[in-house]
Amino acid sequence: EAEVAQSPRYKITEKSQAVAFWCDPISGHATLYWYRQILGQGPELLVQFQDESVVDDSQLPKDRFSAERLKGVDSTLKIQPAELGDSAMYLCASSLLGGSTGELFFGEGSRLTVL
Amino acid sequence: GEDVEQSLFLSVREGDSSVINCTYTDSSSTYLYWYKQEPGAGLQLLTYIFSNMDMKQDQRLTVLLNKKDKHLSLRIADTQTGDSAIYFCAEHPNKLIFGTGTLLAVQP
Repeated sequence: EAEVAQSPRYKITEKSQAVAFWCDPISGHATLYWYRQILGQGPELLVQFQDESVVDDSQLPKDRFSAERLKGVDSTLKIQPAELGDSAMYLCASSLLGGSTGELFFGEGSRLTVL
Repeated sequence: GEDVEQSLFLSVREGDSSVINCTYTDSSSTYLYWYKQEPGAGLQLLTYIFSNMDMKQDQRLTVLLNKKDKHLSLRIADTQTGDSAIYFCAEHPNKLIFGTGTLLAVQP
């Protein structure tokens, strides 16, 4: 069964360091999403790509976060510099129909701890 | 503003029915969803309901929608220990907006 792949599963870093997360969506899924899930809360959309183009990055803290999907397939989310408040689970998801029906397929997530 | 609310915790005994409630804010949502998150895992779509329906049944799952009150519920019949997880409702006005999640604990 096709899955969304994410790495690393766990990352511990010190504040002010740079960190990067990688996501490989399900083959053929044109839409890719990065969500942040703080412990005890629901996921919050950070950025949405349609192919290689950003569709929505209104909640992405652009002073320290960046995301790219250069060839419209896999994607990288970067944080530089990391802050204590960035500790969270970073979830990648993909969808076939641009999310219009809300059926997103999620990866297992990358858990970030900032010390 | 966008705010999808759920109760934080529900505990039931194995074999009982579970009812998880949710209130949403945006009446323009075409679909409303229930996602399940098991420990250490990503979210998985459980079921969804089209906004012009008031009930949908899918095996042990029953979704009820009250559009007037903007209230959504998920009933799980014959709850099993494997149903222990966090359940998120979500609305979709133009993007998926998740609730805070309800932790369901099933006692054997």
